[in-house]
Amino acid sequence: EVQLVESGGGLVKPGGSLRLSCAASGFTFSVSSINWVRQAPGKGLEWVSSIGSDIRYIFYSDAVKGRFTISRDNAKNSLYLQMNSLTVEDTAVYYCARLSGSGGFYYFDYWGQGSLVTVSS
Amino acid sequence: QLVLTQSPSASASLGASVKLTCTLSSGHSSYAIAWHQHQPERGPRFLMTVNIDGTLRKGDGIPNRFSGSSSGADRYLTISSLQSEDEADYYCQTWGSGVQGVFGGGTKLTVL
Repeated sequence: EVQLVESGGGLVKPGGSLRLSCAASGFTFSVSSINWVRQAPGKGLEWVSSIGSDIRYIFYSDAVKGRFTISRDNAKNSLYLQMNSLTVEDTAVYYCARLSGSGGFYYFDYWGQGSLVTVSS
Repeated sequence: QLVLTQSPSASASLGASVKLTCTLSSGHSSYAIAWHQHQPERGPRFLMTVNIDGTLRKGDGIPNRFSGSSSGADRYLTISSLQSEDEADYYCQTWGSGVQGVFGGGTKLTVL
């Protein structure tokens, strides 16, 4: 059974930092692309970042570029999101999601349960 | 610019059917999309992918009550024999060459 379990969320002050983790199981993590997607309160889903099986392929949304860093540890089957210079607009539930697909069309086929990040003074 | 457009809300009665629509922006009418269900207090759930010819792949354990179809730039999710647990937000999603992950705004489905 595929499982993605996020952790590391919490309350942080504006300008602060936080590191999210996502523990994966039930599939071959090392050959999979994994992403972060977030949902702010009362808003829809928003793609945040993507890391391929080849770590040369790393992408960020404009909203987080330069502040967030995605990384992975294949030995630990884990994905990370280092979030710096946080603002209140970063308040959201953060989900990790596995990416599947080919030929230019990619989609999320497994999701975690989410980790809440609250940025507030 | 690649944009997915969804109606903000829909409603249907218990046991009835409902058809949700996701419209691809001009110039992107051949794109495939994925449908995801997001119930309150849970992680999203992948339902299926839909291309210009219809359903490509379904997620694990998705019942036959959920089906996909296409017409032009519109991608549809039809849920038949509606149950109370189908009340959720439904998002369409695709992938842009420059933008990466793209989501529609979501449709909140109410089961009456």
